[in-house]
Amino acid sequence: GAVVSQHPSRVICKSGTSVKIECRSLDFQATTMFWYRQFPKQSLMLMATSNEGSKATYEQGVEKDKFLINHASLTLSTLTVTSAHPEDSSFYICSAEDRGRRNTIYFGEGSWLTVV
Amino acid sequence: DAKTTQPTSMDCAEGRAANLPCNHSTISGNEYVYWYRQIHSQGPQYIIHGLKNNETNEMASLIITEDRKSSTLILPHATLRDTAVYYCIVLASNTGKLIFGQGTTLQVKP
Repeated sequence: GAVVSQHPSRVICKSGTSVKIECRSLDFQATTMFWYRQFPKQSLMLMATSNEGSKATYEQGVEKDKFLINHASLTLSTLTVTSAHPEDSSFYICSAEDRGRRNTIYFGEGSWLTVV
Repeated sequence: DAKTTQPTSMDCAEGRAANLPCNHSTISGNEYVYWYRQIHSQGPQYIIHGLKNNETNEMASLIITEDRKSSTLILPHATLRDTAVYYCIVLASNTGKLIFGQGTTLQVKP
């Protein structure tokens, strides 16, 4: 079964509102999680590294004030898309590394965001 | 992280072995080779990973050449459900940061 879970799997929001996506490691602790986005027919693009107890680090070109990341516990990271616009509509995916399983990196099921 | 090169697409007959190649000629000594696959509208599924020794699990086998510059993912008996995009990624140890390329689209045909 899944070891990394995301919620919600699908969400529709209005332009200008904010939406939060959760990423949970189910049976292991993760000091670091990663957030990706994927547009149709494209590969995954790394957005940011979520660090438990400290600030997230963002990849070049990703706006930190628009994509707020909070990693409040060793099993939960959240991504908040603020002031969402239609161009933010995408598939958002998180990952986490399980150091107890040979450093295997698992991905969540993904969250589809549609901004209308 | 070292870049990888994969064929854009491959076909495989159902029930036959699918052999997916990956070139990573600039890999460093502490970098692992990871394989994932993604079926449409789902998050990537972990398949297997290794450093220098060949690896096998319930899903697949990973064959890494002795010089570590290339590897092959083997799905021993492909089924229609194995149709997906397969990603080969090289990862520096303890970073967790996977950089995805375009992958190989494997089409398993009846």
